[in-house]
Amino acid sequence: GAGVSQTPSNKVTEKGKYVELRCDPISGHTALYWYRQSLGQGPEFLIYFQGTGAADDSGLPNDRFFAVRPEGSVSTLKIQRTERGDSAVYLCASRRSGGPDETQYFGPGTRLLVL
Amino acid sequence: GDSVTQMEGPVTLSEEAFLTINCTYTATGYPSLFWYVQYPGEGLQLLLKATKADDKGSNKGFEATYRKETTSFHLEKGSVQVSDSAVYFCALSPRAGNQFYFGTGTSLTVIP
Repeated sequence: GAGVSQTPSNKVTEKGKYVELRCDPISGHTALYWYRQSLGQGPEFLIYFQGTGAADDSGLPNDRFFAVRPEGSVSTLKIQRTERGDSAVYLCASRRSGGPDETQYFGPGTRLLVL
Repeated sequence: GDSVTQMEGPVTLSEEAFLTINCTYTATGYPSLFWYVQYPGEGLQLLLKATKADDKGSNKGFEATYRKETTSFHLEKGSVQVSDSAVYFCALSPRAGNQFYFGTGTSLTVIP
């Protein structure tokens, strides 16, 4: 079956603009994660969904970042008033149900560049 | 809090050399441990995992053993190939909670 997909693959925007990043998880996976990966670093946790609800949003850096998953499948990460420091690769991953032994499957990422 | 400390790179090896990439962790209880690999231009892929102490994960000639006594999960391969050139990430999934903690990654380059 299809893996995790993310769109767009690249996004260039200007400082102060609003962006939306989309994630389509593996069909049937109830757990969905967003991460941010800066150059030379490992992925940094942002938010975790179990079904439609955000079960853990402790990694969101500030209130400019928000994510939704209204139907328990596709998720959108929204960034308001973008700043140059938001430039990074944003990764999405899904897991069958969220158990600690389960593998996370990652999408290819969206590379965001804020000018 | 929970965390992963990974050997810093970059690492450069000749083909057929032995590889070790060190990974140690800090966690409450007994987490699951993972190695992910990121090939140039590609997304993160699971390489191997171990879910309890003394388990050995293996895949594509790579191995790692979950050592509770030393809180380690070192990645090894007996004979590396040019195609193993990639960035390797050690990761931890706590027994409680849903987060995933990654190390900073180790870049491996294998030269012919």
